[in-house]
Amino acid sequence: DAEITQSPRHKITETGRQVTLACHQTWNHNNMFWYRQDLGHGLRLIHYSYGVQDTNKGEVSDGYSVSRSNTEDLPLTLESAASSQTSVYFCASSQGVQETQYFGPGTRLLVL
Amino acid sequence: AQKVTQAQTEISVVEKEDVTLDCVYETRDTTYYLFWYKQPPSGELVFLIRRNSFDEQNEISGRYSWNFQKSTSSFNFTITASQVVDSAVYFCALSPGYSSASKIIFGSGTRLSIRP
Repeated sequence: DAEITQSPRHKITETGRQVTLACHQTWNHNNMFWYRQDLGHGLRLIHYSYGVQDTNKGEVSDGYSVSRSNTEDLPLTLESAASSQTSVYFCASSQGVQETQYFGPGTRLLVL
Repeated sequence: AQKVTQAQTEISVVEKEDVTLDCVYETRDTTYYLFWYKQPPSGELVFLIRRNSFDEQNEISGRYSWNFQKSTSSFNFTITASQVVDSAVYFCALSPGYSSASKIIFGSGTRLSIRP
């Protein structure tokens, strides 16, 4: 069955370290997204991609970067982790414009 | 502005009661999609329904039903005869028109607790 996976599921890091969260989907979807979920804010879009070599900033992109070298993967990098980036991170994918987004299981990140 | 408002932060009902989760949205686009997702205590996000702006028919799926009213910009979700397994956070979401491509705007969620 097609799926979307994230790794690691839990991560503890220190302020200032670079962290990369992996997202892999086997749906063969063109579109991939990264969100963060914080209490009281729902889900907020960090970055998104409509295809290989395409990346775009979302509403909370500062301090994050992504790259899309193939259809299946969209890794999210925190260049210099900050305590404000402690959150639950969700990856999602969709086939096309306004199609349903399907979510990965999430990565819980704690920045100390 | 594109916005989704879920005014009910938390709802608690006794099992077997019916419960309605409210969702009000704002968009200037004439073509848009609305969604509901469920996030159970295990944390994953589960897709429930997608509805486009041209289809105002109510939808029923088992104990779940959705009432879409463009006149009031609302897309409410009703659970009939609630069960403990329905306890979760429910998110309403809006995908605006083609100008915003595939982006989805989420409401802040409603935490539903079903007491036995």
